[in-house]
Amino acid sequence: QKEVEQNSGPLSVPEGAIASLNCTYSDRGSQSFFWYRQYSGKSPELIMFIYSNGDKEDGRFTAQLNKASQYVSLLIRDSQPSDSATYLCAVLNTGTASKLTFGTGTRLQVTL
Amino acid sequence: DTGVSQDPRHKITKRGQNVTFRCDPISEHNRLYWYRQTLGQGPEFLTYFQNEAQLEKSRLLSDRFSAERPKGSFSTLEIQRTEQGDSAMYLCASSLRGQNEKLFFGSGTQLSVL
Repeated sequence: QKEVEQNSGPLSVPEGAIASLNCTYSDRGSQSFFWYRQYSGKSPELIMFIYSNGDKEDGRFTAQLNKASQYVSLLIRDSQPSDSATYLCAVLNTGTASKLTFGTGTRLQVTL
Repeated sequence: DTGVSQDPRHKITKRGQNVTFRCDPISEHNRLYWYRQTLGQGPEFLTYFQNEAQLEKSRLLSDRFSAERPKGSFSTLEIQRTEQGDSAMYLCASSLRGQNEKLFFGSGTQLSVL
């Protein structure tokens, strides 16, 4: 079982719709969770982080964390073509200092 | 531009040659990380430094790989006797004291081993 699992996609949503990206993790003791956006040929860029169960909103982005079920999700409201990218889920595992473990990413396509 | 710079952006080398990459982190960041990413995969942790001390190395980092951060500022990653399997994007990231998990990535060095 991979430590951080994501559906590779592509996930295709029409412009203006809500995109829902999901991630599950295996280390039950994980404390911190991150979403990075990566455009093709570019490096990852941090867009959201969440530490506590529940929802965290920042503009059009909402991160949701459920530690009991070991999943974290990212919702993108009013999706725009510029949101088309790969979204990487990253988890800070227990006992690993500052080493983040990344999933393989979900490719999002926002269509006109 | 995150403020983390990497050089070179691209490197093409022949199998068996040595290569060295450089990373300049954001100036006030005390932690520096090296990750490797191949097509269709997420970044894989290689190693990280706190100031000049190398605190953790991945099992992925074979003896052919060595990293240094001699004065706690820039870092170099050297790969000796390159193999075709070393072809990947090598990403450097840094983080701010007190916000250690929030990584700021450089643009990466794309290595192609022929």
